[in-house]
Amino acid sequence: GEDVEQSLFLSVREGDSSVINCTYTDSSSTYLYWYKQEPGAGLQLLTYIFSNMDMKQDQRLTVLLNKKDTHLSLRIADTQTGDSAIYFCCSASGGSYIPTFGRGTSLIVHP
Amino acid sequence: NAGVTQTPKFQVLKTGQSMTLQCAQDMNHEYMSWYRQDPGMGLRLIHYSVGAGITDQGEVPNGYNVSRSTTEDFPLRLLSAAPSQTSVYFCASRPLTGGNTEAFFGQGTRLTVV
Repeated sequence: GEDVEQSLFLSVREGDSSVINCTYTDSSSTYLYWYKQEPGAGLQLLTYIFSNMDMKQDQRLTVLLNKKDTHLSLRIADTQTGDSAIYFCCSASGGSYIPTFGRGTSLIVHP
Repeated sequence: NAGVTQTPKFQVLKTGQSMTLQCAQDMNHEYMSWYRQDPGMGLRLIHYSVGAGITDQGEVPNGYNVSRSTTEDFPLRLLSAAPSQTSVYFCASRPLTGGNTEAFFGQGTRLTVV
């Protein structure tokens, strides 16, 4: 079945850029999402990209999609301590009801 | 604008006890689901439903039952709790049509089985 892989941890210095990478197996995925989970809370949608796009920018966030390599990345510019959280990559295709989540990347921002 | 509401937020059970985790959504979403989140394991799908009267098993269904009598509610039942069911449980809902089908999550239920 569908699989979504992402690294488990990323540590960056405050003010630097963070890049969280994700690979997925279903090349027919229609939407690809990034969710953010802050400590003690549920997941909230951070941003998404439609499969016919290569890039989406939203303030400090940049999502890059390489459909050929089924690779998705999330770049956070000028990373702040408030960005410390777990980031989940998620794919959804028209052929399945069930979205597929990666295991989540814990982003740790240190001063 | 409630979204997805889960109750309770915290629960401690003794082994063998039963309980129901409640989930309600007010967005008229067809799809509802339950996940458990354990350290290093990410989200694992327990059960899901694509509409009232329709439920199906996810990746880790053993020890859990669900029902979907209304569009709004999707309770998760633990019939005989075991320590292995200690986890954080999330309910999520999403529409099945209309293009972007973002999932909306509840705040979670932290369950400890002793």
